[in-house]
Amino acid sequence: AQSVTQPDIHITVSEGASLELRCNYSYGATPYLFWYVQSPGQGLQLLLKYFSGDTLVQGIKGFEAEFKRSQSSFNLRKPSVHWSDAAEYFCAVGPLNSGYSTLTFGKGTMLLVSP
Amino acid sequence: NAGVTQTPKFRILKIGQSMTLQCTQDMNHNYMYWYRQDPGMGLKLIYYSVGAGITDKGEVPNGYNVSRSTTEDFPLRLELAAPSQTSVYFCASSYGGIEDNEQFFGPGTRLTVL
Repeated sequence: AQSVTQPDIHITVSEGASLELRCNYSYGATPYLFWYVQSPGQGLQLLLKYFSGDTLVQGIKGFEAEFKRSQSSFNLRKPSVHWSDAAEYFCAVGPLNSGYSTLTFGKGTMLLVSP
Repeated sequence: NAGVTQTPKFRILKIGQSMTLQCTQDMNHNYMYWYRQDPGMGLKLIYYSVGAGITDKGEVPNGYNVSRSTTEDFPLRLELAAPSQTSVYFCASSYGGIEDNEQFFGPGTRLTVL
């Protein structure tokens, strides 16, 4: 069965510092990978996605992620964090069933930004 | 274009009561989903639908029912509420297909069962 692991429950980063959020997946075929962000009290918003091609993917709000097949990882990065980036971040992999657009989500990483 | 809307935003139920969580999307998406989110557990898929009249179980369907009579609406029914169903519920939709799988989420319904 497919699964997604986000090893860090919480991460605290100083404003202006770089950020890397880890995501490892287990999947029997070529995965489709996603990062979503959830601000407090809000639904989830897509940051970026990887389907194929260039393994370095650019997303919104200055985020990027790199797919590394050999490490089964899809880590999210940002070179300089802003206070408004404080939120919970979810990595997801799909599809759950062939042909159907269902996703398996990780448990999330809460990002705290210190002044 | 409102996207995905959910009602109500908050609800408190007594054990054994029933209720329907409403979800509507105006993007003409084929696929719709219901998730529950519990602290520290991420999102778990309850049910999903790939089009009007077609629904299927997700990872945690017990205690819930769904229907999809129109493309726009995908209500989630709780028949006999239990404390274990206290959670935040998110509805989402996507156009469909594997490569066009960006899911758009509603703002959520926070449900407490006492």
